[in-house]
Amino acid sequence: SQKIEQNSEALNIQEGKTATLTCNYTNYSPAYLQWYRQDPGRGPVFLLLIRENEKEKRKERLKVTFDTTLKQSLFHITASQPADSATYLCASAVSNSGYALNFGKGTSLLVTP
Amino acid sequence: KAGVTQTPRYLIKTRGQQVTLSCSPISGHRSVSWYQQTPGQGLQFLFEYFSETQRNKGNFPGRFSGRQFSNSRSEMNVSTLELGDSALYLCASSRGFVDQETQYFGPGTRLLVL
Repeated sequence: SQKIEQNSEALNIQEGKTATLTCNYTNYSPAYLQWYRQDPGRGPVFLLLIRENEKEKRKERLKVTFDTTLKQSLFHITASQPADSATYLCASAVSNSGYALNFGKGTSLLVTP
Repeated sequence: KAGVTQTPRYLIKTRGQQVTLSCSPISGHRSVSWYQQTPGQGLQFLFEYFSETQRNKGNFPGRFSGRQFSNSRSEMNVSTLELGDSALYLCASSRGFVDQETQYFGPGTRLLVL
């Protein structure tokens, strides 16, 4: 069955550094991957979508890559700030017909001053 | 434009009861998906509706059901509640077109089963 996995361990980094989060998928080839941010007690918020034919996508301090050979996506936050502290979720489509998503379990990021 | 709204926000039920949760998508969005979030399992997909038809279904027992109305509003129902059904239930909507796959999530309904 298709699996999407994220490093479940929390990531602690110092303010100003670059945070790098990993998402791996197995047993399928997603047409795209999406990244979301979730704060405690709130619904996830969309950040970026990258398609299988795109190597890299950027939005302000965020960058995501998609390596179909390694079956991996990396999510980077440059010049991190304490306000970036949250859980980051990677997701791919449940099926080719629809927009529902399978999510990884998320990586908790803590940025300390 | 108003975001996705979910009602109620909090709910306490006892084992064996049933519950109905409601979701109003963003205006113009045709796809509505439901997810269950627990600390142990993370965010798990329940089902997706598009134009009143269930298009995808996750791996949950038949006690979990849903429907979508002609105005795209959706409800999910859980019958014969179990303690393990305690979770945050999230609804998300999307426009339902290729190249517009982004999901917009509501604030969730927190269900506690005693």
